[in-house]
Amino acid sequence: EADIYQTPRYLVIGTGKKITLECSQTMGHDKMYWYQQDPGMELHLIHYSYGVNSTEKGDLSSESTVSRIRTEHFPLTLESARPSHTSQYLCASTRGGTSTGELFFGEGSRLTVL
Amino acid sequence: SQQGEEDPQALSIQEGENATMNCSYKTSINNLQWYRQNSGRGLVHLILIRSNEREKHSGRLRVTLDTSKKSSSLLITASRAADTASYFCATGLRGSSNTGKLIFGQGTTLQVKP
Repeated sequence: EADIYQTPRYLVIGTGKKITLECSQTMGHDKMYWYQQDPGMELHLIHYSYGVNSTEKGDLSSESTVSRIRTEHFPLTLESARPSHTSQYLCASTRGGTSTGELFFGEGSRLTVL
Repeated sequence: SQQGEEDPQALSIQEGENATMNCSYKTSINNLQWYRQNSGRGLVHLILIRSNEREKHSGRLRVTLDTSKKSSSLLITASRAADTASYFCATGLRGSSNTGKLIFGQGTTLQVKP
């Protein structure tokens, strides 16, 4: 079983609120990722990190921001949530290396913005 | 345009039958991976096939890769009701700017009727 955890699993909030989605892994993985997935649709990469103090934007533009101060922790923040941010957010990690091996996923955080 | 496109989008079979899903991609890859996602959950890695491999087996799973056609197939033999899930292919792209990123297809929703 994967040792990667996301909280909260479900979050319903009002427009304009600031939210942080937490993601932690205990596997010592250098590479971590955030994907956004609408119901029944593909995953879109929105942020990734190759190590501490390294963050990059993914292929899908997102108003969210991330930080990587510790290897095990990769939180995602929305400063002012809007209904268009309603989606499932999936965090994943993998070992380092020049090519991408198996990704370990958390259970996801389903965000609903009213 | 999507890197990975899967076919069919949905598949419904009886328990005991085989299920075949196909994935096509556009650019050069280091490897191709298949993941499974139960409804509302995170993704679970099933199998990875490298660009220099043509076929790989894992239990009831058989994956093929044809780099000349830029396509892969996932075969699940003797399906069970518990195999009901969405299945995604993901490509690890070749090239230094893409190192470490996986691009996911749209997925195939499989329903196995008992």
